[in-house]
Amino acid sequence: KAGVTQTPRYLIKTRGQQVTLSCSPISGHRSVSWYQQTPGQGLQFLFEYFSETQRNKGNFPGRFSGRQFSNSRSEMNVSTLELGDSALYLCASSPTNRGPDGEAFFGQGTRLTVV
Amino acid sequence: GESVGLHLPTLSVQEGDNSIINCAYSNSASDYFIWYKQESGKGPQFIIDIRSNMDKRQGQRVTVLLNKTVKHLSLQIAATQPGDSAVYFCAENSGGSNYKLTFGKGTLLTVNP
Repeated sequence: KAGVTQTPRYLIKTRGQQVTLSCSPISGHRSVSWYQQTPGQGLQFLFEYFSETQRNKGNFPGRFSGRQFSNSRSEMNVSTLELGDSALYLCASSPTNRGPDGEAFFGQGTRLTVV
Repeated sequence: GESVGLHLPTLSVQEGDNSIINCAYSNSASDYFIWYKQESGKGPQFIIDIRSNMDKRQGQRVTVLLNKTVKHLSLQIAATQPGDSAVYFCAENSGGSNYKLTFGKGTLLTVNP
């Protein structure tokens, strides 16, 4: 069974640009969550999607957005990149919509560097 | 605001010893907790979870203890091995029936051979 796949693994972008990151969840998983990991702030929740609907959102500015497709694959977008957006972006998928009846499985992340 | 914090940022143990990693959480409404292990260059890996209606859960070489009275979690690793060296995070689900994990800052566990 394939795990959570995130692409690309590494990205270098310039301030002011925008970026799109992709996440393919484990087959059959319908919940996809996104997290930002930085040395200073640790792991912070961005948003969670289930059946193409955003169910939860963290405390990030509107420059951070996401979406989920009918096949459960998800993308997140960051517009007008800032240096502080440099981070490891992690995607996690989980199997159910009835609450955490199974752990969230994480991908290896996309390392974004903004220069 | 909601937060999950760790008391010790680093822990160094000898191979074969037992390790205990502690975590405090602040959201008394959280009903599900997870411990993750993260090795360098990898995403967090699930270790063990516990629901708020339990106070102890055991896995293979790991035990999680939950004390809701003082809002405290701990992860016990028996017979620690060099392969256990990693950063360990506790996380609480603060999204109710949906996933919204709040993570602690992490504890770096180093196992000395």
